[in-house]
Amino acid sequence: EAQVTQNPRYLITVTGKKLTVTCSQNMNHEYMSWYRQDPGLGLRQIYYSMNVEVTDKGDVPEGYKVSRKEKRNFPLILESPSPNQTSLYFCASSSPIRDRGPYEQYFGPGTRLTVT
Amino acid sequence: GENVEQHPSTLSVQEGDSAVIKCTYSDSASNYFPWYKQELGKRPQLIIDIRSNVGEKKDQRIAVTLNKTAKHFSLHITETQPEDSAVYFCAASRYNFNKFYFGSGTKLNVKP
Repeated sequence: EAQVTQNPRYLITVTGKKLTVTCSQNMNHEYMSWYRQDPGLGLRQIYYSMNVEVTDKGDVPEGYKVSRKEKRNFPLILESPSPNQTSLYFCASSSPIRDRGPYEQYFGPGTRLTVT
Repeated sequence: GENVEQHPSTLSVQEGDSAVIKCTYSDSASNYFPWYKQELGKRPQLIIDIRSNVGEKKDQRIAVTLNKTAKHFSLHITETQPEDSAVYFCAASRYNFNKFYFGSGTKLNVKP
């Protein structure tokens, strides 16, 4: 089954304790992205990756890191989480079509993070 | 960067009526406009998209229109059903740029 998976689905942590949210897709997609969703603000892009070892900042990258060492995985790292990073996080992947640009993004199930 | 504004934030319609959600964007270089539906507690899912070389696109009860000159695009749902109740997000992006900018969402409630 084609899917995007995220782990953990729920996480409660304390300020300053490093954490990693994993994202994996089995569709051989080149493009992967991380979003955070906050009430009234919609989805905001954190980082995206066009392919292995190619990553770039989205709209709200401060306080986050990513890596893309393998095509299927795109972990989101919070080196020193703060309460303002409490949010619902979504990973997404897609396979851009040459000369046609971005295509349908498939979203993971989401990770609800609470930082106290 | 791009700024996408979405209206209304909530919309309540009677089953069978039509619903229209509108979005505006600021970057004239944006050329890809997807719409996502997110049911309560679920992940966003693409329902329709439109590219800047097209003015309108339909898929059964759903249609999207794009006015490049005015920089706005709209989602039209006809013959609404209770299962259409969800939050809808518009977004804007540019080819080969791959940044996505989402609107703030519209909560649609279809009353039986």
